[in-house]
Amino acid sequence: GENVEQHPSTLSVQEGDSAVIKCTYSDSASNYFPWYKQELGKGPQLIIDIRSNVGEKKDQRIAVTLNKTAKHFSLHITETQPEDSAVYFCAASDEGKDDKIIFGKGTRLHILP
Amino acid sequence: DGGITQSPKYLFRKEGQNVTLSCEQNLNHDAMYWYRQDPGQGLRLIYYSQIVNDFQKGDIAEGYSVSREKKESFPLTVTSAQKNPTAFYLCASSAWLLAGVGEQYFGPGTRLTVT
Repeated sequence: GENVEQHPSTLSVQEGDSAVIKCTYSDSASNYFPWYKQELGKGPQLIIDIRSNVGEKKDQRIAVTLNKTAKHFSLHITETQPEDSAVYFCAASDEGKDDKIIFGKGTRLHILP
Repeated sequence: DGGITQSPKYLFRKEGQNVTLSCEQNLNHDAMYWYRQDPGQGLRLIYYSQIVNDFQKGDIAEGYSVSREKKESFPLTVTSAQKNPTAFYLCASSAWLLAGVGEQYFGPGTRLTVT
């Protein structure tokens, strides 16, 4: 089955700097890669996703890149702000197979003042 | 207001008792999911259901049971057979797309403590 590895587990960046979180996946059939943000005491919320027919997607300060050959994808947050502090999860899914999404173990992002 | 509700937010039980966690959605989504979240472990899938009266085991189904009698509801029972039930439980739902899974919408979670 699919396995998703996520690094780092904890990341601290100065406010205004960029943050990068990296994930790798094992199943070459995976074709949908969402990123979720979880604030303290709440459920995760989708912030951006990418499908395997594109290599990059951007939404304001966040972007995701996908390298299908290497089976890795990354989340980039630019001009970080205090409200970016949260736990971020990457995930992978084979949309043609079933409705399951396999999550990474999460990255706790701290934005330092 | 459309969304997913989970109740209660905090739940305390004695060891050996079964407990049922509630999950309701009014998004008209076909698929529903239960995840367990432990520190440093991410989200692990317990059970999921793609349509009413049907459900499949996830990666850690042992000690849990579910039912899907209505589209809106997907309750999870944590049985006494679950060896380590203390955790944060998250319910999610997603629409059925021709392409497959789509975005999952999560509830606020239930923190279960068993002593």
